[in-house]
Amino acid sequence: DVKVTQSSRYLVKRTGEKVFLECVQDMDHENMFWYRQDPGLGLRLIYFSYDVKMKEKGDIPEGYSVSREKKERFSLILESASTNQTSMYLCASGPPGQGTYEQYFGPGTRLTVT
Amino acid sequence: GQSLEQPSEVTAVEGAIVQINCTYQTSGFYGLSWYQQHDGGAPTFLSYNALDGLEETGRFSSFLSRSDSYGYLLLQELQMKDSASYFCAVKGQGGKLIFGQGTELSVKP
Repeated sequence: DVKVTQSSRYLVKRTGEKVFLECVQDMDHENMFWYRQDPGLGLRLIYFSYDVKMKEKGDIPEGYSVSREKKERFSLILESASTNQTSMYLCASGPPGQGTYEQYFGPGTRLTVT
Repeated sequence: GQSLEQPSEVTAVEGAIVQINCTYQTSGFYGLSWYQQHDGGAPTFLSYNALDGLEETGRFSSFLSRSDSYGYLLLQELQMKDSASYFCAVKGQGGKLIFGQGTELSVKP
């Protein structure tokens, strides 16, 4: 079974803090993705990576950065958290080729920025 | 622009058949995926259609018509555990997945 784990289930941070969200997958997948999920907006892609050290902007990258130093780990960084970044953050991974349409998701991190 | 349209809510009774539609408008199209997400859970992959026609996987089937930019997810013999949100997602240009807003399915006894 593919397992995607995220560092925290719930997180509360203050405005202006630097926030790190970690994601680890155990299936040796090349592709990894970060989404945010908001009511009525579905899942929106923030950043993705097709290989170590590689990163590509998704549809809403502003205010975020990512790091992929190892194949199994993909980190999302909020450089200076703002209240409009309060959301559910979902990490996903997938194999090359099909991994862009068949993705395995972690349980999510519900981030609240106050 | 890129957009996917699906109904926000659908209600059906146990044992019935329900169809969740998805229409899309995207720049570049490679296929249509469906995901299921239970309340508080992670989205899980259900199916993928790259070509026109019907794909069946147990009680779930997915259909695609590329000429109509339209697809649907068909759930048969509905069970209470099928109550969840269902998302269609298009694999578009650059290989990214673009998700619809989701359809909340409620199955009543």
